[in-house]
Amino acid sequence: GAGVSQSPSNKVTEKGKDVELRCDPISGHTALYWYRQSLGQGLEFLIYFQGNSAPDKSGLPSDRFSAERTGGSVSTLTIQRTQQEDSAVYLCASSFSGGAEGNQPQHFGDGTRLSIL
Amino acid sequence: GNSVTQMEGPVTLSEEAFLTINCTYTATGYPSLFWYVQYPGEGLQLLLKATKADDKGSNKGFEATYRKETTSFHLEKGSVQVSDSAVYFCALMRGKLIFGQGTELSVKP
Repeated sequence: GAGVSQSPSNKVTEKGKDVELRCDPISGHTALYWYRQSLGQGLEFLIYFQGNSAPDKSGLPSDRFSAERTGGSVSTLTIQRTQQEDSAVYLCASSFSGGAEGNQPQHFGDGTRLSIL
Repeated sequence: GNSVTQMEGPVTLSEEAFLTINCTYTATGYPSLFWYVQYPGEGLQLLLKATKADDKGSNKGFEATYRKETTSFHLEKGSVQVSDSAVYFCALMRGKLIFGQGTELSVKP
């Protein structure tokens, strides 16, 4: 498709389980971002990829969170030993290019709604 | 540090009313500024952007001007419609998007 695709759209899991969220960016976009949207915290940055490298991981809330990107395309965000406070909508975005002085607009997927029981 | 502050919502207007949603920012240098919109049940969509001082972004009747002197990027629309009901987010770009807290707009017929 033409837009950013995320899967699954909804995920319900038990506390302590691991989850994996997937993002397919727009073709040709070298920059990929993960954000999280929750009621209490608003929209928070998690991690930024330029190609397959992650020059900014500063938003990952703990070492239970990790992400990778392969082939300069698909990215997966993994949360290990999930906790109830991990419940949120996880959003992926991509842009043509990134960097500290970047001004390219980011295009967002519809998100994965994660619920931890 | 870098931050964005938006006027608190919810904002409730009648159809055809004038809309202003205030946004101010704190940042080093001159970041690009954006307004994103989230319609009910949908994802974030780019509404408009401005990349340098005095730039005006516009789309779908919405406008915002990058004001360096007041560090502001207020969103305006001359005549709102029921279909404009959504949550609006102001954001600056500094290696990543830094968002304001969002302003919920409800337009009544």
